[in-house]
Amino acid sequence: GDSVTQMEGPVTLSEEAFLTINCTYTATGYPSLFWYVQYPGEGLQLLLKATKADDKGSNKGFEATYRKETTSFHLEKGSVQVSDSAVYFCALSDPNSGGSNYKLTFGKGTLLTVNP
Amino acid sequence: GAVVSQHPSRVICKSGTSVKIECRSLDFQATTMFWYRQFPKQSLMLMATSNEGSKATYEQGVEKDKFLINHASLTLSTLTVTSAHPEDSSFYICSARAADRGNSPLHFGNGTRLTVT
Repeated sequence: GDSVTQMEGPVTLSEEAFLTINCTYTATGYPSLFWYVQYPGEGLQLLLKATKADDKGSNKGFEATYRKETTSFHLEKGSVQVSDSAVYFCALSDPNSGGSNYKLTFGKGTLLTVNP
Repeated sequence: GAVVSQHPSRVICKSGTSVKIECRSLDFQATTMFWYRQFPKQSLMLMATSNEGSKATYEQGVEKDKFLINHASLTLSTLTVTSAHPEDSSFYICSARAADRGNSPLHFGNGTRLTVT
């Protein structure tokens, strides 16, 4: 079945440091890939997405490139801020796994803490 | 952008009682909504897929008689935790996808923190 593996946290960085959160996946078809962010006490918000190989999703300074050859979708940001502190979830949606429902499969999440 | 409203955000109930959680899509129609459960420091576990006008599809290991799902309209799905027990305490999150879009991202509610005493 489909699965998402992302690096375990927690990750603690100083402000303006470079961030990488690794994410790899297995899927039966050609999935779309997502990064969601969850701030404390809140639901998930879509951060960025990519729907096909070599696509780069970007938002709020975060980027991730869909790498089919390595089945990866690593999240990066060049200079993190304290306000980026949150839990980040990598996810995939495989149209072959759920019929028309396109269920999301999530990684376990990575807690990021950015210190001033 | 699309907004999903979940209510209540927090609820405390006594063991043995039932609790209803609502999930509404505010500015779009959603034929499908998803209910997730999140344990502390864990990922989201899909509980069930709620389909408007038909029975929900439950994931393996989720008790359908305990977690009743009703999707009576294109903008509302409800999850009722029946005869709640302390082990049901968790963070429940709903999500929805616009009815007219195929593989589009899900929009999530802000979640409901359920505490069963």
